[in-house]
Amino acid sequence: SQQGEEDPQALSIQEGENATMNCSYKTSINNLQWYRQNSGRGLVHLILIRSNEREKHSGRLRVTLDTSKKSSSLLITASRAADTASYFCATVLHGSSNTGKLIFGQGTTLQVKP
Amino acid sequence: EPEVTQTPSHQVTQMGQEVILRCVPISNHLYFYWYRQILGQKVEFLVSFYNNEISEKSEIFDDQFSVERPDGSNFTLKIRSTKLEDSAMYFCASSRSGVVAEKLFFGSGTQLSVL
Repeated sequence: SQQGEEDPQALSIQEGENATMNCSYKTSINNLQWYRQNSGRGLVHLILIRSNEREKHSGRLRVTLDTSKKSSSLLITASRAADTASYFCATVLHGSSNTGKLIFGQGTTLQVKP
Repeated sequence: EPEVTQTPSHQVTQMGQEVILRCVPISNHLYFYWYRQILGQKVEFLVSFYNNEISEKSEIFDDQFSVERPDGSNFTLKIRSTKLEDSAMYFCASSRSGVVAEKLFFGSGTQLSVL
């Protein structure tokens, strides 16, 4: 099994609802990052959580990290149609000397219906 | 907000031809990267570049691939002899520093189609 598995693969909700996406990984990490990708566009960094952190907030985003379970979740509260996108977790392995080698998950495709 | 710019947005080439994908990283960034995403698959790391040298490369980044920073602003990925399996979206990224907890800024990608 691979580093960075996400579930669900696809999620469809109504505007105003909360969306939760999960990411699991196998190897010890230095940090875990979440990125968003709108259709046909590049990846946009959303939030980074370090291995010694348990929770971080940024606007309507809340990320948790459970290193004992090797899992993270991304919660988007009060979703909007503009949140429709694919969301990826990406890990930086423990001991990495190079910040740029991110290991991405498969992603969750979120559709927010107006 | 500053952006990473990639050109062209789409590139179609014949198998065996050379292609050069171009990127203009954010101006005060020092670290540069290429990633690719084959349709329906994960985004994969190809190579990182700092101080005019490759810092790290993946198994994918074989002798057919090369990177270059030909001047102070551009960063290029060359594929010497393209194969069908090189068809993918190629993303350039940059970051300010090599500190481990540093976010990457990605371009919008070049969709490469090898026929």
